[in-house]
Amino acid sequence: NAGVTQTPKFQVLKTGQSMTLQCAQDMNHEYMSWYRQDPGMGLRLIHYSVGAGITDQGEVPNGYNVSRSTTEDFPLRLLSAAPSQTSVYFCASSPPFRVSGELFFGEGSRLTVL
Amino acid sequence: KQEVTQIPAALSVPEGENLVLNCSFTDSAIYNLQWFRQDPGKGLTSLLLIQSSQREQTSGRLNASLDKSSGRSTLYIAASQPGDSATYLCAVDRGSTLGRLYFGRGTQLTVWP
Repeated sequence: NAGVTQTPKFQVLKTGQSMTLQCAQDMNHEYMSWYRQDPGMGLRLIHYSVGAGITDQGEVPNGYNVSRSTTEDFPLRLLSAAPSQTSVYFCASSPPFRVSGELFFGEGSRLTVL
Repeated sequence: KQEVTQIPAALSVPEGENLVLNCSFTDSAIYNLQWFRQDPGKGLTSLLLIQSSQREQTSGRLNASLDKSSGRSTLYIAASQPGDSATYLCAVDRGSTLGRLYFGRGTQLTVWP
């Protein structure tokens, strides 16, 4: 099994550009989420989904958009990139919380916005 | 909002020592608490998950305990090895809003030979 796969691993954008970070999991997990990790800030939840067609906001959702049309995929869209969005982005998935809730993470996508 | 604090922020020990990492959280109405390991430039790897009905979990040299009433968890690492060097993070959910996890900032552990 591949687990949680994120693409791209590295990306450089100019201010105002848009892009999509891809996340796919092959474990049939209902729960998927996006986090950003910044030095000294820890991991902060951006958006999450508890199943196909259902998404919700986390702590820092502004400037990001998500959709969940399939169980496997959970893309994160940056609408108009800003330097404050320079960060490492992690996608995670898990079985339903009342079953397990163990989180599986991707390797991360490092984004730089100039 | 759930606040998660990890102490110490950094720890450097010689090989072979037993050590304890601490995690505290402000809202005791949690469903799960998880401990993760993160190596530099890598993603997070789940080490132990403790559900709210449990008091502890063990995996090899690792033992994690949970005291919901006091809002604390500890990760005990026995007979530390240089390969244990990494950042250790704890994360909790908040029982009223399952699906939202809150992370501590981690403890950076260095085990020297």
